[in-house]
Amino acid sequence: EVQLVESGGDLVQPGRSQRLSCTASGFTFGDYSMNWVRQAPGKGLEWVGFITSKVYGGTTEYAASVKGRFTISRDDSKSIAYLQMNSLKTEDTAVYYCHVGSGTFDIWGQGTMVTVSS
Amino acid sequence: SYGLTQPPSVSVSPGQTARITCSGDALPKKYAYWYQQKSGQAPVLVIYEDNKRPSGIPERFSGSSSGTMATLTLNGAQVEDEADYYCFSTDSSVNHSVFGGGTKLTVL
Repeated sequence: EVQLVESGGDLVQPGRSQRLSCTASGFTFGDYSMNWVRQAPGKGLEWVGFITSKVYGGTTEYAASVKGRFTISRDDSKSIAYLQMNSLKTEDTAVYYCHVGSGTFDIWGQGTMVTVSS
Repeated sequence: SYGLTQPPSVSVSPGQTARITCSGDALPKKYAYWYQQKSGQAPVLVIYEDNKRPSGIPERFSGSSSGTMATLTLNGAQVEDEADYYCFSTDSSVNHSVFGGGTKLTVL
């Protein structure tokens, strides 16, 4: 079965760090770019960033709201993508989704909740 | 920063045609994608590359794009189509992606 499963969401204090994981199965993970998308409670979807496949250099891009604080990486040998979140702010509270989108091949995880609060 | 603009809400009666628009300066050069999201669920792709429909998506869903506006059309909207709909695309100058603010479709 083709699927993405996020993990690592938790209650985190402001200023601290948290790492999310996205484990893929059922497809050739290394062939695809990976997106991270978040959704604050009651709000819309927000693109966080992506990492391209190794064929395209494994390059990363980030939304302005997280640039310099968040880092996306990937381990193709384990079929896992990571979102390292540093200097967390209360406004980073959201459900975080990983996503693969290539034409009609479009897969989302179920999301993992990160709550930033003291 | 680049943005996509959608109306906050659209309301139609069952069987009517619903149209949801998405405007963005890069849309003449970049594809639009449309996602449906029901409460508590992950988004589902309903239209990709402006006007293509994934398998399993009902034929009443269609997409079009002209100039700086993309449109999602539901011909004969059903009660089960009630959801939030998001357009998604890419900035033409920097390699960033963006979602529209979302449109809540009410069918009643």
